[in-house]
Amino acid sequence: RKEVEQDPGPFNVPEGATVAFNCTYSNSASQSFFWYRQDCRKEPKLLMSVYSSGNEDGRFTAQLNRASQYISLLIRDSKLSDSATYLCVVNTGFQKLVFGTGTRLLVSP
Amino acid sequence: DGGITQSPKYLFRKEGQNVTLSCEQNLNHDAMYWYRQDPGQGLRLIYYSQIVNDFQKGDIAEGYSVSREKKESFPLTVTSAQKNPTAFYLCASSISGRRSVNEQFFGPGTRLTVL
Repeated sequence: RKEVEQDPGPFNVPEGATVAFNCTYSNSASQSFFWYRQDCRKEPKLLMSVYSSGNEDGRFTAQLNRASQYISLLIRDSKLSDSATYLCVVNTGFQKLVFGTGTRLLVSP
Repeated sequence: DGGITQSPKYLFRKEGQNVTLSCEQNLNHDAMYWYRQDPGQGLRLIYYSQIVNDFQKGDIAEGYSVSREKKESFPLTVTSAQKNPTAFYLCASSISGRRSVNEQFFGPGTRLTVL
């Protein structure tokens, strides 16, 4: 089983739609969690950290479910500029991050 | 502006040659990392360094070498022993490699192509 698993997509949604991605992780000792965004042929950029209580940043909401070992990202009111690959990232506690392969989102007019 | 720079952006190498990729940061971060990204795969850790003059192998260190003589710099050498070096190489840094919350920030990357 992979340490971090994501549905590769693509998720095709119209502008204004709400879309959600899930990501599962295998190591129950994982300590911290992040969502990164990566545009085509660019570097990953930190979108948000994921806290136990969940957190929201504008149109983006991240949730953590430790019991089921998954994290989620919800994007409301999708914009064309949200089109990108979203990487789920987990700190396994060994002072390094493990990256998922990403979920591709395409927002169309 | 604070940030991470990588050079060159594109690099072409002949088989059998060693090449060195540059990574510099002025964020005063202690920890630095090198990853490679291949199409359809997640980032894979090559080497990381938590402090000057110290570094550890990541998951795919064979065929690579690094040094950390200065806090700001963490160059990666891709040696001729690396069997499949064509990839997108990303350097990252974080405030400290020892914190449990460990956001990493990335440079723009170097695309290496072996001809």
